[in-house]
Amino acid sequence: DAKTTQPNSMESNEEEPVHLPCNHSTISGTDYIHWYRQLPSQGPEYVIHGLTSNVNNRMASLAIAEDRKSSTLILHRATLRDAAVYYCILMKIQGAQKLVFGQGTRLTINP
Amino acid sequence: DTEVTQTPKHLVMGMTNKKSLKCEQHMGHRAMYWYKQKAKKPPELMFVYSYEKLSINESVPSRFSPECPNSSLLNLHLHALQPEDSALYLCASSQVLGKRGAASTDTQYFGPGTRLTVL
Repeated sequence: DAKTTQPNSMESNEEEPVHLPCNHSTISGTDYIHWYRQLPSQGPEYVIHGLTSNVNNRMASLAIAEDRKSSTLILHRATLRDAAVYYCILMKIQGAQKLVFGQGTRLTINP
Repeated sequence: DTEVTQTPKHLVMGMTNKKSLKCEQHMGHRAMYWYKQKAKKPPELMFVYSYEKLSINESVPSRFSPECPNSSLLNLHLHALQPEDSALYLCASSQVLGKRGAASTDTQYFGPGTRLTVL
């Protein structure tokens, strides 16, 4: 399984944008880039995913580098509820579904 | 309804006990998963079921026995566990797109987990 690298922790202030980076230099052409987050005392929840183009949804935006070796999850206006561990995960488009979680980035939001 | 429910929320068991964890979803998903999460660590995949058939077993010890009695239910039977098996056990489900038996890259929906303590 292709590996992802994320900073262990990041800190931001409420109502400011947050950019969470992820490196995946060994990504293959069949890998989608997924982001999940896990709030305290909860199961992980899906945030966003993409293949090549940048993606937006109501929760966040995903910016994918042109060579696909890195990506950035963007929270446009962080709230205290966004404090969580954010996981960047690569998933194949074929074959068995398998989420392989790395260590993730623990995001702290200051009021 | 995008909810995955898990029961019980907490479970304490001795090493000689037999217990079961239950997971249920009513989203029509045909892929279901068990993950194990130790404290301060990321979740680790244990089993994947696709169309009620076991498709992935990540070399999990036989003291963990999964069962998928129908498309909405997933059980994890526990027997002769060790204290190091204490963890949060997470269930998830997803749609299955593509050919039958092959899971998709669709979103996984997770339950809140069962926190298991083995004494």
